[in-house]
Amino acid sequence: DQQVKQNSPSLSVQEGRISILNCDYTNSMFDYFLWYKKYPAEGPTFLISISSIKDKNEDGRFTVFLNKSAKHLSLHIVPSQPGDSAVYFCAAISIQGAQKLVFGQGTRLTINP
Amino acid sequence: DTGVSQDPRHKITKRGQNVTFRCDPISEHNRLYWYRQTLGQGPEFLTYFQNEAQLEKSRLLSDRFSAERPKGSFSTLEIQRTEQGDSAMYLCASSLLRDREEKLFFGSGTQLSVL
Repeated sequence: DQQVKQNSPSLSVQEGRISILNCDYTNSMFDYFLWYKKYPAEGPTFLISISSIKDKNEDGRFTVFLNKSAKHLSLHIVPSQPGDSAVYFCAAISIQGAQKLVFGQGTRLTINP
Repeated sequence: DTGVSQDPRHKITKRGQNVTFRCDPISEHNRLYWYRQTLGQGPEFLTYFQNEAQLEKSRLLSDRFSAERPKGSFSTLEIQRTEQGDSAMYLCASSLLRDREEKLFFGSGTQLSVL
């Protein structure tokens, strides 16, 4: 039962353009969402998060949008830089329901010069 | 370095051997998680602790796996009689549950190869 889904295994974007990574979830109990970035042979690094009481959170070049009715969130990176090339994981948790963090399968983002 | 620390970074073992991994969380964090990740997949939850109490174990965690967190500080994950299917990266994370937020901070992981 895949509660968090990232349907695009890979995405290629030109440097300077916008990267949009998508994530869908099925569990309506999820109330907090996170994006992690992972380089090979390293652990995931926290990037940005959003609570279910918000629909947008912005931090520098990174913005996360949450559409609760569609059970969908997205991560926008603008402008994209070569150092953004990594695997991005969407994750969700039900804090009120005391459930653990669940990850999507990941999307490999490649930024082309 | 005040991040999550895992030891060793890499472990190569023969099938049937026992292995033990260690995780040192961020000191003020009360929750500690173990995840496992294989190529092309997201991290899969194994177990987690709040202080020294183990609150949940995944069905993925067979009886060959055991985790401890004595005194609510560092944690160990032991795999007995390793199998080739145990080859994966084992990730530890810690968090401080606060208000409506729980951000997990991960260590660099232990890459296990079972030959």
